Amino acid sequence: DAGITQSPRHKVTETGTPVTLRCHQTENHRYMYWYRQDPGHGLRLIHYSYGVKDTDKGEVSDGYSVSRSKTEDFLLTLESATSSQTSVYFCAISGAGLARNEQFFGPGTRLTVL
Amino acid sequence: KQEVTQIPAALSVPEGENLVLNCSFTDSAIYNLQWFRQDPGKGLTSLLLIQSSQREQTSGRLNASLDKSSGRSTLYIAASQPGDSATYLCAVRGSEKLVFGKGTKLTVNP
Repeated sequence: DAGITQSPRHKVTETGTPVTLRCHQTENHRYMYWYRQDPGHGLRLIHYSYGVKDTDKGEVSDGYSVSRSKTEDFLLTLESATSSQTSVYFCAISGAGLARNEQFFGPGTRLTVL
Repeated sequence: KQEVTQIPAALSVPEGENLVLNCSFTDSAIYNLQWFRQDPGKGLTSLLLIQSSQREQTSGRLNASLDKSSGRSTLYIAASQPGDSATYLCAVRGSEKLVFGKGTKLTVNP
């Protein structure tokens, strides 16, 4: 398995509170991604990073921000959580060049916003 | 906008059967296609990656094919086992991003 961990694995929070999810990799891969998975919608890209301090928006980026200050860590922040952000969040990584083509996923974080 | 469809949404088969899962996509301008497996409450496990220049890839009992011109891929599972029960997802890469189908939930009955 690719060396990807996510923390926390489960979180319950209240509407309006800030939440930060962490993705940590030990593979030294260049690309990192945040997805959310919801019934009926499948997996959707939130943000991704193509290097330290280099990030871009995905399909469903509103209400989310990201930061990457080190190769191994990619943080996803919900500035003010809403119930619509209740979801399972997955981090993924991929390498550069041809290795960039294959993505490997972390175990996920289940977030509940009350 | 790329759209990926997987049919059927669910499939139940007896153990030992050979089966085919289908994936179709609307834009044939893809770099590659990746098949994943997801067990309940778990992350995604990469099964096979097919580059756009390839026609198929094999790993053990799994064989994935790609027909870019028709916008189709199939995942063939030989001699299915109860341990193959999971949701299977396909995803296509057009540029920076993967676009996922919603998956086929496979149940293999002993």
